[in-house]
Order: sequence, then C-alpha cells, then structure tokens
Amino acid sequence: DQQVKQNSPSLSVQEGRISILNCDYTNSMFDYFLWYKKYPAEGPTFLISISSIKDKNEDGRFTVFLNKSAKHLSLHIVPSQPGDSAVYFCAATTTGLFNDMRFGAGTRLTVKP
Amino acid sequence: DAGVTQSPTHLIKTRGQQVTLRCSPKSGHDTVSWYQQALGQGPQFIFQYYEEEERQRGNFPDRFSGHQYPNYSSELNVNALLLGDSALYLCASSFRDRQTQYFGPGTRLLVL
Repeated sequence: DQQVKQNSPSLSVQEGRISILNCDYTNSMFDYFLWYKKYPAEGPTFLISISSIKDKNEDGRFTVFLNKSAKHLSLHIVPSQPGDSAVYFCAATTTGLFNDMRFGAGTRLTVKP
Repeated sequence: DAGVTQSPTHLIKTRGQQVTLRCSPKSGHDTVSWYQQALGQGPQFIFQYYEEEERQRGNFPDRFSGHQYPNYSSELNVNALLLGDSALYLCASSFRDRQTQYFGPGTRLLVL
C-alpha cells in the first residue's frame, strides 16, 4: 500500500538550473507534507514542509508547492548546486499527537558542475 | 544542541539471533519513532513511543518490540532475525504533536 509515490527514481540537472522533484499521494487524510534530503551513510535531514492550508512554502533556494485537488506536491530548488546532489524523500502525515510519516521511495538528484 | 544519536552504527547478526538498537532523541523532544529503510526504498514506519508507551504501530510483526525510558531514550528489539530484516534502522524524534521529525544517522543491520 504505497500512499506516497515518487515516480522518478533519478533526476540530473546542470548547476545553476532549476531542479523540480515531484511527489503524489493517495490518502486524502494527509494534511502535512515534508521533504527530507539524504546523503549516503547519513540519516534523512529535514528540508522543508508545508501544511495543507497553504499551497506554497519558501525557504531560501527551496520552495514546496502543494496542489490538494491533484494530490500532488513538488520541490523546486533554484539555483541548483552540486552540494544538493542527494536522495530526496517526500513524506506525508496527518496532524495529531501520534503521527507516523509515510515516505516515497526517493528521487536521486545529481547536479552537474 | 545535540541531535538524534543512535548506536551502534553497524551490526552483523545471524538468522535466529536477537538484536537491540538504541536511540537518544534530540534535546527537548519527548516522542521517538522507529523506521526501517530497505535498500532502494523509503523509510517504513515501525512504531512510535510517547510517555514510555507504544502509541502507534506500523505493519510489522510482534518480533519487533520497543521501549522508551523516562529520559525519552528508546530501544528497538528484533527477535528471531530473518535475512529480510537486513536494513537501515532509523530513529526519529519530535516534540508532542509537532509534525516535523528529526532523524538520527541510523543503524545498519546485516543478517547473515
């Protein structure tokens, strides 16, 4: 039961260009969404999040867009830097005290110099 | 400000053995969640502990059990290990009903 899907296992972009990572979900109960970045041999690092009451959240070079009607969210990185090369996981959860997160399978981003 | 710490970093066991993994949450956090990440997949939720009790559980068998101590640190125990239990085990901490969870570096378990 894959409630969160990242359909692109990999993405390659040129340094300075925009990276767009996509994520789809099926459970309409999800109301909070997060993006994590993971380097090899490290745990996932929290990047940015968005509540379902918003459709956009921005933090520096990172912007997350949420389209609730399409059950789709995306992460934009502008401009992309070689240090952004990592695996990016999309996660979804529901508001509440006991909130497990459901993760996508991840997208490996490679930013070429 | 200490982040989430986990021990050990790596572990090798044989089938049928038992293993205990440990986690200390980020300072100020009182909720600990455990995840299993198999190769090429996203983390899968095992269970969550709050106030020393298991509050929520994912689709994992009873061979997976846990504990939370009064200082909020936590243990994950896996009995009767199977080859398929080989994975990266991640601990994440959060505060009460805050949705954002912060992860530790993980423990890589290999079952032979």
